Amino acid sequence: DTEVTQTPKHLVMGMTNKKSLKCEQHMGHRAMYWYKQKAKKPPELMFVYSYEKLSINESVPSRFSPECPNSSLLNLHLHALQPEDSALYLCASSQESVSGNTIYFGEGSWLTVV
Amino acid sequence: AQSVAQPEDQVNVAEGNPLTVKCTYSVSGNPYLFWYVQYPNRGLQFLLKYITGDNLVKGSYGFEAEFNKSQTSFHLKKPSALVSDSALYFCAVRDMRLAAGNNRKLIWGLGTSLAVNP
Repeated sequence: DTEVTQTPKHLVMGMTNKKSLKCEQHMGHRAMYWYKQKAKKPPELMFVYSYEKLSINESVPSRFSPECPNSSLLNLHLHALQPEDSALYLCASSQESVSGNTIYFGEGSWLTVV
Repeated sequence: AQSVAQPEDQVNVAEGNPLTVKCTYSVSGNPYLFWYVQYPNRGLQFLLKYITGDNLVKGSYGFEAEFNKSQTSFHLKKPSALVSDSALYFCAVRDMRLAAGNNRKLIWGLGTSLAVNP
């Protein structure tokens, strides 16, 4: 079982709504990630936080806004999304090192934009 | 350029038979290689990784993978397939370029759908 917990599991939102996805890990990891995954495709990196600071933003539209309140929590704030943003959003975490650290994923949040 | 190829979109195998899911890679330096599995409507689960050392890596659920540097391959194997192994399998390689932050980026293959038939 994954030690990365994501809520909610399912979310349906309108294009004018504001919602948030939440993620929590208790493995003491200092790197946390948001990925977007379309059906039967590999995950696409969106953001990486390292020691609670944003270190990678893969040119994600500003309607997605990440937040890392502390080393265990990661949020993704959603506003004015488009139907094409419907996807599985995966949170992940890893130890922060330069070795071959493993990235551990949560079960994901299924987002549908209507 | 760094890349990962999974040459088969789909692999079909009978239950009890050995299975192989293929992965080849291209990186500029030493690769860190990973296998993940995704069961239907689930997140990604880590299976195993190669960092250094023994070329044969053992992982979760009876899976293993063999690192072959000369063939730049990292094929996933299991001696006896189970119906419950049916899932989507992703191979990934760590980008070891030294630019800030990039050592965290995983480069993913397109995935191989494994179907194990009873």
